[in-house]
Amino acid sequence: DIQMTQSPSSLSASVGDRVTITCQASQDISNYLNWYQQKPGKAPKLLIYDASNLETGVPSRFSGSGSGTDFTFTISSLQPEDIATYYCQQYDNLPRYSTFGPGTKVDIK
Amino acid sequence: EVQLVESGGGLVQPGGSLRLSCAASGFTFSSYWMSWVRQAPGKGLEWVANIKQDGSEKYYVDSVKGRFTISRDNAKNSLYLQMNSLRAEDTAVYYCARDQRGFRESRLDYWGQGTLVTVSS
Repeated sequence: DIQMTQSPSSLSASVGDRVTITCQASQDISNYLNWYQQKPGKAPKLLIYDASNLETGVPSRFSGSGSGTDFTFTISSLQPEDIATYYCQQYDNLPRYSTFGPGTKVDIK
Repeated sequence: EVQLVESGGGLVQPGGSLRLSCAASGFTFSSYWMSWVRQAPGKGLEWVANIKQDGSEKYYVDSVKGRFTISRDNAKNSLYLQMNSLRAEDTAVYYCARDQRGFRESRLDYWGQGTLVTVSS
């Protein structure tokens, strides 16, 4: 089974800061990686798919990169509404399983 | 507008059963894979199961294999999760999600609001 790790587990940053979260897979997953944002009490929201593609309607301050085992999620200029937990998710093609990372909680300093 | 509305959650004793439903609208339900994802209180997300458009393929996380069954009724635009032999560790909010799954791609692009399942005596 593919295991996903994320770092850091939490971070605190100021409005306008650049925020970077990393996600690592236990084996090569190509670009089969998505990023989600979850605000307290709400359902997750898709932000980035296939490692670097911005979902329609998502602000351009969010971006993703990477392939293989190492991936990065970036918020170029942190906004108050970005306070949330962010999860990476890998998916397999055969069998068609999926695994989420443990999440990174982002707070405003 | 795409909408996914889960129902069927509640309090159940260990060893009991529960059937979750997800009513879909605003898109051609029969054209999409669908998934269930759960979140234990204060914990992260865990993918539970998914099902192909015609129900011919189903996959489960190891921890629910043999206990949970995912199914769908395309005529009713509905997704289901039959949960048997429930354990305390199954306590979670259960979300249904539309899966944009194709050849070498997959993403959960729409989610329901979730339904809470509590397994306790």
